[in-house]
Amino acid sequence: NAGVTQTPKFQVLKTGQSMTLQCAQDMNHNSMYWYRQDPGMGLRLIYYSASEGTTDKGEVPNGYNVSRLNKREFSLRLESAAPSQTSVYFCASSEPDSYGYTFGSGTRLTVV
Amino acid sequence: GDSVTQMEGPVTLSEEAFLTINCTYTATGYPSLFWYVQYPGEGLQLLLKATKADDKGSNKGFEATYRKETTSFHLEKGSVQVSDSAVYFCALSVISGGYQKVTFGTGTKLQVIP
Repeated sequence: NAGVTQTPKFQVLKTGQSMTLQCAQDMNHNSMYWYRQDPGMGLRLIYYSASEGTTDKGEVPNGYNVSRLNKREFSLRLESAAPSQTSVYFCASSEPDSYGYTFGSGTRLTVV
Repeated sequence: GDSVTQMEGPVTLSEEAFLTINCTYTATGYPSLFWYVQYPGEGLQLLLKATKADDKGSNKGFEATYRKETTSFHLEKGSVQVSDSAVYFCALSVISGGYQKVTFGTGTKLQVIP
């Protein structure tokens, strides 16, 4: 009963390096999301995918790109990491109903 | 736009004390309301929800009632335990463009001491 799986759990990058955060869900949900969590700011939506084949910007998309690879997988890419992207990143999935999100356990990213 | 305001923490309580975490919201539509809990080093977990006015969501001894007239969804528990120490997020969701659009509060950290 995996739910939403994120990899890696921890990552340290140097400024300017690139990386991809992976997310996969096994609940056959249509919608997937990427959030970042920073102290005192709650969760902020980076990108979302309402359904397979679509992606849209959220509140803070600058510096990120996403790919909805198939219904299960939704990846987040940092092309040129900056210290301001140091954060905890959460992937989530849901159906278009009122039953809430299922979250992954997060990726703690530090950019030095 | 939609927004959620919850009381700032941290909230520190002794074990078996009564807990209230206030949450109010503004929304253009008719939202569903949620409380999520985040334990240290983990992702958010859905704690309880309510989808219409006067509904009461409950789980693990926690309760919250959807109050449309006061646009509130306060979280309560009669007797907290040390294991309840976590960050609690109030949230609302509306269905928009075929997906569930969720707005989160900034979170309230609860610390329960023995």
